[in-house]
Amino acid sequence: QVQLVQSGAEVKKPGASVKVSCKASGYTFTNYDINWVRQAPGQGLELMGWINPNTDNTGYAQKFQSRVTFTKNTSINTAYMEVSSLRSEDTAVYYCVRGVPGYYYYMDVWGKGTTVTVSS
Amino acid sequence: SELTQDPAVSVALGQTVRITCQGDSLRSFYASWFQQRPGQAPLLIIFGENNRPSGIPDRFSGSRSGNTASLTITGAQAEDEADYYCNSRDSSARHLGVFGGGTRLTVL
Repeated sequence: QVQLVQSGAEVKKPGASVKVSCKASGYTFTNYDINWVRQAPGQGLELMGWINPNTDNTGYAQKFQSRVTFTKNTSINTAYMEVSSLRSEDTAVYYCVRGVPGYYYYMDVWGKGTTVTVSS
Repeated sequence: SELTQDPAVSVALGQTVRITCQGDSLRSFYASWFQQRPGQAPLLIIFGENNRPSGIPDRFSGSRSGNTASLTITGAQAEDEADYYCNSRDSSARHLGVFGGGTRLTVL
């Protein structure tokens, strides 16, 4: 079955970086985008952007353009999201989500989320 | 947020409830809808014009009129109590998506 398996929880100090992985299985990795969504404690969903594993094209929400980088390794069907210069406001659950291209673009399968805690 | 949702809605058990999502991009793009229960990842329940992924009960339906997308639950069940989020394209950056702020549904 289609699955996205994310890496485990992280605790980081302010100013550090964190890299979250998302391993896909059950489908052709390069046929679908990977989107990244974050959810701060008690808050709503916030779309950070996406990567196309086939073309390596990326799109970033303006808020995340300067500190976030999406990459992938197609040989192991894994996407990555790295956030640099972490601050306390980056404490959140980070999800990877498969994006389905087509007449209407939508996101279907979600990873279980990776909790990132930024604390001194 | 580019997509606006009511923060909270309530419905009596077995009754019908509509959750709405407003935004300029909805004139051009369909909304998707996600259900999120506490401590869980969101779950896709509606996409496109009015499509349900396999396993989603048919009491969930979607529609669109002008700049408003709606999620209707016909015969709400106790297990439908959750947060609901709409998602579509960003009206000013159409290669990006955006979420509504979410609606907390309480089933009375």
